[in-house]
Amino acid sequence: GENVEQHPSTLSVQEGDSAVIKCTYSDSASNYFPWYKQELGKGSQLIIDIRSNVGEKKDQRIAVTLNKTAKHFSLHITETQPEDSAVYFCAASSPSNFGNEKLTFGTGTRLTIIP
Amino acid sequence: GAVVSQHPSRVICKSGTSVKIECRSLDFQATTMFWYRQFPKQSLMLMATSNEGSKATYEQGVEKDKFLINHASLTLSTLTVTSAHPEDSSFYICSARDPGVRSYTFGSGTRLTVV
Repeated sequence: GENVEQHPSTLSVQEGDSAVIKCTYSDSASNYFPWYKQELGKGSQLIIDIRSNVGEKKDQRIAVTLNKTAKHFSLHITETQPEDSAVYFCAASSPSNFGNEKLTFGTGTRLTIIP
Repeated sequence: GAVVSQHPSRVICKSGTSVKIECRSLDFQATTMFWYRQFPKQSLMLMATSNEGSKATYEQGVEKDKFLINHASLTLSTLTVTSAHPEDSSFYICSARDPGVRSYTFGSGTRLTVV
């Protein structure tokens, strides 16, 4: 099955600086890579996603890059703000044995923005 | 965008009792919903895939008689934790896939505490 690794586990960044979180995956059949933001005690919110037919996607201060050959993808947050502080999860979607796609999550990165 | 409503957000129950958690897709029909469990400072672990009108498919190691899933309509899936024990205390999150845009939307989660 799919295995997703995420680094770093914790990241502290000065407000206004950039933050980068990296993930690797093992299943070459994975073709959809979302990123989720989870605030304390809340469910996860999709912030950006990328499909395997593109190498980069950007949405305002957030961007995701994908390297299919190396099987890794990264989340980039620029001009960080205090409200960016949260736990971020990457995920990879691959077809399961039952024909339903399922997400495999990374272990999460706790991002702290220092004012 | 797609919204998934999950209730209750918090529940405390006594050992041996059962607890039902509801997950509703509010503005789209979800033939497939996913149930995850999250332990403190850990990633989301897929428990089962809920299929409308058919039996749920459980991940390895998840007891289907312990975690009953019912997906009776295209907008509602329920997870019932039966004969709850303290070790079942956890954060449970549902997710539904909006087939129109092929994205996964998460509920706000349910924190279950078994005393």
